[in-house]
Amino acid sequence: QQQVKQSPQSLIVQKGGIPIINCAYENTAFDYFPWYQQFPGKGPALLIAIRPDVSEKKEGRFTISFNKSAKQFSLHIMDSQPGDSATYFCAAVWGWANNLFFGTGTRLTVIP
Amino acid sequence: DTEVTQTPKHLVMGMTNKKSLKCEQHMGHRAMYWYKQKAKKPPELMFVYSYEKLSINESVPSRFSPECPNSSLLNLHLHALQPEDSALYLCASSQGRVGREGLNYEQYFGPGTRLTVT
Repeated sequence: QQQVKQSPQSLIVQKGGIPIINCAYENTAFDYFPWYQQFPGKGPALLIAIRPDVSEKKEGRFTISFNKSAKQFSLHIMDSQPGDSATYFCAAVWGWANNLFFGTGTRLTVIP
Repeated sequence: DTEVTQTPKHLVMGMTNKKSLKCEQHMGHRAMYWYKQKAKKPPELMFVYSYEKLSINESVPSRFSPECPNSSLLNLHLHALQPEDSALYLCASSQGRVGREGLNYEQYFGPGTRLTVT
């Protein structure tokens, strides 16, 4: 059973556009929500993360919006660049070992 | 420094071979993880070590054998693998939750070992 649902599966935007990736979860025990960026053949890199007591967090061109009541969160990439082309995974964390539950991933392509 | 290193980068092995994957971190993290990732899929958790003790085994076949010799090193011993075990094997580490004052949730991944079983 997929504990974190992610959409869309793939996304193509023009350079400068604002891709938005959405995730939803059911387990209210999750208490930390990171996003990972992964380039082909590389390990996932932690991009940005949010805790459920915060509704929005910005780091550079990346913004997370979090809706605790709806159990949804999303990633916005401002002024997207071709170098942002990668697969993005949302995730949710709980447990003493920081167990990560990944979404299914979104393959983003930014066209020059 | 948030670096997790893994060796080798690529490994090709036959079904009768024995090989090992290595992972190292020097961030003082006390939780270390092995994941398996197939193409176009998210990473799947295999094992979790906490304070050098195996604490989670996600029903992984015995042909995969983890080992944590010390707090900085994590090995994955491979024996009699199947072609369907071909994947990217990722190591990660985390400080773990040591109490309210020391909450740290981030998990950092290494670059992975691309394993091909022939």
